[in-house]
Formats: sequence, structure tokens, C-alpha cells
Amino acid sequence: DVKVTQSSRYLVKRTGEKVFLECVQDMDHENMFWYRQDPGLGLRLIYFSYDVKMKEKGDIPEGYSVSREKKERFSLILESASTNQTSMYLCASSLRQREQYFGPGTRLTVT
Amino acid sequence: EDQVTQSPEALRLQEGESSSLNCSYTVSGLRGLFWYRQDPGKGPEFLFTLYSAGEEKEKERLKATLTKKESFLHITAPKPEDSATYLCAVQGYNFNKFYFGSGTKLNVKP
Repeated sequence: DVKVTQSSRYLVKRTGEKVFLECVQDMDHENMFWYRQDPGLGLRLIYFSYDVKMKEKGDIPEGYSVSREKKERFSLILESASTNQTSMYLCASSLRQREQYFGPGTRLTVT
Repeated sequence: EDQVTQSPEALRLQEGESSSLNCSYTVSGLRGLFWYRQDPGKGPEFLFTLYSAGEEKEKERLKATLTKKESFLHITAPKPEDSATYLCAVQGYNFNKFYFGSGTKLNVKP
């Protein structure tokens, strides 16, 4: 079975802090994704990576950056957290262009 | 405009009462249509992939079908444990772009 893990289930940070969310997959998938999910807005793509050190902006990249130094690990960085970044963050991975497998999510609250 | 619309937004069923969820799409160049189940506070769980019109997939009480413009998720004799939000996603010409619907929240009462 594909397994995607995320570093934290719940996280509380203060405004202005730098926040790191980590995602690890164990199935040697080329593609990895970061989404945020908000009520009424659905899933929105933040960033996507199709290979080590390669990344593409998604629909809402502002205020975020990413890092992929190893194939199995994809990190999302909030450079200076703001209250409007309070959300559920979901990591996903996929093999080439096939279905995505999601992690359990990180509920981030910025106060 | 590429988009995916799911209906209804919410559905209440009695245990054993079969029904269908709809996912309609206007995404150009369908590569794949995916169904997911999401429980509250958790990540989506992959259910099915459909690639071409006429294709069907089944898993326990769930059956997914695909036409040229929509997909249905049929739930036969549902149980309370089927209660969840069901998400549909469509992959178009751009392999790395997935268009998600807003989901159908299913509640099955015993």
C-alpha cells in the first residue's frame, strides 16, 4: 500500500513565524503535491514537484515556497505565517500521471 | 472554463436506501477521472480511476461509471460507515493538473 505521511497532524504557530510542513512518501513516486483545503473553496494546489529539485507553481503559491532535495520528501515552507494561512494542508504523491495518494493532513492554525 | 461540479452538495439516506452522486465536468481532453472518499479531519482516500466513457469500476457497495461529460458514484444499500464526503477529480490535457469538485457530503442514518 502507498503510504504518505505528514510531519504533524496539528500545528499552532504565531503570525510572522517561519513554518515547515514535511511530507514523505514510500512508493518512489515522481510527482508530489501540496494543497490547502478550506470550507467552501475545496482543494487548491499550492505547488507541485515532478522530480528532485524541480517545482512548479500551482494556483495559490503566494506566501509559500517548497523544497524537494530527495525523491521521497517534499517540504512546504511558510516564510512568514499569516492568519489567512490557517487551513488544512494536504500532501499527495502520484506515479507519473496516475491517481494521487494523499497524506492525513496537517491542520495549521496561525494566531 | 475547466471545472468540475458535484451534486448534490449534501445527501441524507436511510441505511439500505440506494442512491447516486453526480460529477459533471467541462475539462478538455479527459485523461482520467478519480473518486475519493474523505472522512472529517483526514486526507482523501483513493477509490477509483476511470479513463474512458463506458468504463465502470466497483468496490463493495460502490460503483463508479463514466460518460463523456459526467460520472456517477452509485451507492447500493449503504451503511452508516459509508458516511463521508466523496470527492471527484478530473485530469485533463495537462497531466499534472487535477480539477477537484467541492464534494458531496453523504450521511447514512441507521
